[in-house]
Amino acid sequence: GIQVEQSPPDLILQEGANSTLRCNFSDSVNNLQWFHQNPWGQLINLFYIPSGTKQNGRLSATTVATERYSLLYISSSQTTDSGVYFCAVPSGNTPLVFGKGTRLSVIA
Amino acid sequence: GAVVSQHPSWVICKSGTSVKIECRSLDFQATTMFWYRQFPKQSLMLMATSNEGSKATYEQGVEKDKFLINHASLTLSTLTVTSAHPEDSSFYICSARWGAGFYEQYFGPGTRLTVT
Repeated sequence: GIQVEQSPPDLILQEGANSTLRCNFSDSVNNLQWFHQNPWGQLINLFYIPSGTKQNGRLSATTVATERYSLLYISSSQTTDSGVYFCAVPSGNTPLVFGKGTRLSVIA
Repeated sequence: GAVVSQHPSWVICKSGTSVKIECRSLDFQATTMFWYRQFPKQSLMLMATSNEGSKATYEQGVEKDKFLINHASLTLSTLTVTSAHPEDSSFYICSARWGAGFYEQYFGPGTRLTVT
C-alpha cells in the first residue's frame, strides 16, 4: 500500500512564528486531505487539496501531485493551533491512509 | 455544514460487557461511513467501511464478530464492541461522506472507550 510520511514529527513554535509541514506520499493520488486534531481529539478538516494551492486565513496548502508531496503553511501561529496535523491519501480500496502526523506545540 | 456527531463521547465498561457507539451525520445524508481506531499518540487506523443498507467491509485484522457495525439509515451508523476486553480500550472515531463520487470525509468528535 501507499506510504505517507510527514515531517517534522514534532514542532515547537513561539506564538507568531510561521511554519511549514510536509507530507510525502509514495504513489500518485487523486485525493489528499489535511486535518488538525485538537487536544480533545476532534479532527477538523483543513483542506481537501488533490492538487494546486488553497488558502484559508492563516493557513494555506499546496499539493504537487506529480512530485508526490503536499505542504501545509501556518503563518502567525497561535496557541490554538496546537495539536496534531495529519495528511491522508487514498490507497487501493482504502479511502484514506493517514500519516503519523506532526505534533505542534505553540507557546505564548 | 457537514457535521458529524458521536455518542457517547466517553464510556467506561467492565470486561465482558458490550458497548454501542453511535455516529450521526447531522446535516447531510451519508451513504458511506467509516470507523477508525486511534491509540495514544498514534495515527488513525481504518477499521471498517459501511454503506447504508449493506454489510460493512472490515479491514484486514479487524474481527467482524467483535466489532459489529450497522448502517441502518443515511444518517446513522453504530459500532458495537462485543465482549469488550481491556485491550479494546481506545479512541474510536467515525467519519462520513456523501457518496462514492465524493472523496472528502468529515469526522465525528470521537468516543473514548475504557474497559476495566
